Amino acid sequence: DVKVTQSSRYLVKRTGEKVFLECVQDMDHENMFWYRQDPGLGLRLIYFSYDVKMKEKGDIPEGYSVSREKKERFSLILESASTNQTSMYLCASGFPPGTYGYTFGSGTRLTVV
Amino acid sequence: DQQVKQNSPSLSVQEGRISILNCDYTNSMFDYFLWYKKYPAEGPTFLISISSIKDKNEDGRFTVFLNKSAKHLSLHIVPSQPGDSAVYFCAASRSQTGANNLFFGTGTRLTVIP
Repeated sequence: DVKVTQSSRYLVKRTGEKVFLECVQDMDHENMFWYRQDPGLGLRLIYFSYDVKMKEKGDIPEGYSVSREKKERFSLILESASTNQTSMYLCASGFPPGTYGYTFGSGTRLTVV
Repeated sequence: DQQVKQNSPSLSVQEGRISILNCDYTNSMFDYFLWYKKYPAEGPTFLISISSIKDKNEDGRFTVFLNKSAKHLSLHIVPSQPGDSAVYFCAASRSQTGANNLFFGTGTRLTVIP
């Protein structure tokens, strides 16, 4: 089974801190994604990457950056955490959606205080 | 601008009956549609998909119907079971070079009552 692992299940950070969320996949997938999930808003795409060192902005990139130095690892960076970035963050990876879609990690619940 | 819409935030169904979850989309360029299921504190898991060249895809108790002219798809669960209680997300994709982003709806919370 494909595994997408997010480094933390729960995080509490202070306003202004720099926050790193890590995601690792074990299936040599080209595409990796970062989403955030908020009540009533569904899943919104922050950034995605289709190759090493390649990145594309999603729908809500403001306040975030990403890094993909190796194919298996995709990091989301909150440059200066703010309370409105409190959310569930979900990483996904896969080949083009096709029949099986993308595989998601278990998520990181980030609280910024 | 929400390109994929799920207008029903919640749905309650009796165990053994049919659950019908609906989804509308606005972008006629979408050519793949997927349903994901999500339990609390877990990531979404892929459930079933359909290509735009089909109008129906079935997998056990789950069937997805696609009406391209209406830009509408639906997920049928028959018979519904208590373990089906979860949030269901509809997603759509447009094949393109470089990457294939998934556009998600806002989700429908299904509750199956024993």
